[in-house]
Amino acid sequence: QKEVEQDPGPLSVPEGAIVSLNCTYSNSAFQYFMWYRQYSRKGPELLMYTYSSGNKEDGRFTAQVDKSSKYISLFIRDSQPSDSATYLCAMNTGNQFYFGTGTSLTVIP
Amino acid sequence: KAGVTQTPRYLIKTRGQQVTLSCSPISGHRSVSWYQQTPGQGLQFLFEYFSETQRNKGNFPGRFSGRQFSNSRSEMNVSTLELGDSALYLCASSLGLGGGKTEAFFGQGTRLTVV
Repeated sequence: QKEVEQDPGPLSVPEGAIVSLNCTYSNSAFQYFMWYRQYSRKGPELLMYTYSSGNKEDGRFTAQVDKSSKYISLFIRDSQPSDSATYLCAMNTGNQFYFGTGTSLTVIP
Repeated sequence: KAGVTQTPRYLIKTRGQQVTLSCSPISGHRSVSWYQQTPGQGLQFLFEYFSETQRNKGNFPGRFSGRQFSNSRSEMNVSTLELGDSALYLCASSLGLGGGKTEAFFGQGTRLTVV
């Protein structure tokens, strides 16, 4: 079993839709949780970073962490074509990063 | 503040050759990690360097090696290239070892194609 599981998609939504991206994990030692966005032929770009259970909001993006269920989510409101990318979740024990395989998202105008 | 810089951006090599990739981390960051990214496997951890010492290593053969210099710049070397080594190689820098309590910042990557 992988330590971080992420549905690869692909996910296709119309512009303006709310998008929900999710990851589950098995390692209780994970303390820090991140979401990265990766455009084609580019390196991953850090979107959100949190270390506690609950919600963290940044503009149209909300990161949610539920440590009791070992489940994290990224919500994108009012999705735009420019949000089309691969989204990777990442977690850290404090010693090493672990990444999900990424979810490919396409927002259709 | 300058980001993580990887050179070269693209490389085409022949089977059996060797290749060296370079990564300059964000100023002040002492940890550099290397990852291999392929469509089927996602991001796979190669190794991490901190203060010129390899501190952590993933499950890759010995053909993959690296080093870090006193200015935190890092190089990754792959010897005896195989077709399966074709991938996007990403470097990530962070303040602390293993990322610590901080985020990892990625470079644009080096796209290696082995023919």
